[in-house]
Amino acid sequence: DAEITQSPRHKITETGRQVTLACHQTWNHNNMFWYRQDLGHGLRLIHYSYGVHDTNKGEVSDGYSVSRSNTEDLPLTLESAASSQTSVYFCASAGLPDGELFFGEGSRLTVL
Amino acid sequence: QKEVEQNSGPLSVPEGAIASLNCTYSDRGSQSFFWYRQYSGKSPELIMSIYSNGDKEDGRFTAQLNKASQYVSLLIRDSQPSDSATYLCASYAGGTSYGKLTFGQGTILTVHP
Repeated sequence: DAEITQSPRHKITETGRQVTLACHQTWNHNNMFWYRQDLGHGLRLIHYSYGVHDTNKGEVSDGYSVSRSNTEDLPLTLESAASSQTSVYFCASAGLPDGELFFGEGSRLTVL
Repeated sequence: QKEVEQNSGPLSVPEGAIASLNCTYSDRGSQSFFWYRQYSGKSPELIMSIYSNGDKEDGRFTAQLNKASQYVSLLIRDSQPSDSATYLCASYAGGTSYGKLTFGQGTILTVHP
């Protein structure tokens, strides 16, 4: 079965360190998204990609970057982790622009 | 700022009752609307989508859309304890928002036996 997997599932890091969260999907979807979820804010879009070598900023992109070198993967990098980036991060993919989003299991990041 | 608003709850209903979840949106250009269910510690999963005014039924779930009032709702009939979860409303505007959903903050639903 097709799926979308994230790693690591849990990560504790220190302020100022670089962190990369991996996202891998086997749906063969062109559209991939990174969201963060915090209490009281729902899901907020960080970055998204419509295909290989395409990346775009979402509403909360400061301090984050992504790259898309193939269809399957969209890693999210925190260049210099801050305590405000403590959150649960979800990767998602979609085959159609207004269709169903398929979410990964989430990555819980704690920045101390 | 284009927004989707939900009452965060918690909404508590007895088993077998109808649970009514509501959502309003600010962007009149929104075309499609979705309800995602999220169990604690898990990822969201799509349970309903609705694209035109009126009602859409799927099993125990009914989504209702009123574009004039910018209002979306989800009714869960014969609520079960397994329906206890956070329900996220999302909208899609198309155009320059191609592929991007705007989510509400979610409503926590608790169904008690």
